Amino acid sequence: AQSVTQLGSHVSVSEGALVLLRCNYSSSVPPYLFWYVQYPNQGLQLLLKYTSAATLVKGINGFEAEFKKSETSFHLTKPSAHMSDAAEYFCAVSGTGRRALTFGSGTRLQVQP
Amino acid sequence: DSGVTQTPKHLITATGQRVTLRCSPRSGDLSVYWYQQSLDQGLQFLIQYYNGEERAKGNILERFSAQQFPDLHSELNLSSLELGDSALYFCASSATIPSGANVLTFGAGSRLTVL
Repeated sequence: AQSVTQLGSHVSVSEGALVLLRCNYSSSVPPYLFWYVQYPNQGLQLLLKYTSAATLVKGINGFEAEFKKSETSFHLTKPSAHMSDAAEYFCAVSGTGRRALTFGSGTRLQVQP
Repeated sequence: DSGVTQTPKHLITATGQRVTLRCSPRSGDLSVYWYQQSLDQGLQFLIQYYNGEERAKGNILERFSAQQFPDLHSELNLSSLELGDSALYFCASSATIPSGANVLTFGAGSRLTVL
């Protein structure tokens, strides 16, 4: 079965600092990987997705993630945090076809002024 | 606006009651997924429908059921409600013919409070 593990349920950074949210996956076949963001009282919004076309994936709002097969990781980064980035971030994995996503436990990002 | 519509946004009810949550997928999407989000369980996949047929089941309780209608909207029925069923219930839909990654588009959720 496919799964993802997000290290750190809470991450706090200063405005302008690097954001690094960690995600490791477990999959017996090459997975599809996703990062979603959930702002307070809202649904989940797709940030980016890995589909094997390129190991470095760029998403919305300046976020990017790098797929590292050797480390089974798909960490999310942003060079400079903004106050508006404060939200909960979820890593997710799926197989091929119309399969449901399996989500990690989420990481709540706080951005300090 | 994601294009996935969920009603009601908020619902407060008592233990033992039954409620129905409704979801309209994005235009053209044939797949509908239901997820439950709670503080202790995180985001749990409940069930998936594709063009009216059940496609996959996740951690859905026997007290819960769902269906997808010919117009593709879906309903999640929760019965004999317990305090622990209080959660945010999300509906998501995906493209009819996914080319590779199956991207889910989520609605804003229905917040259920059981008192």
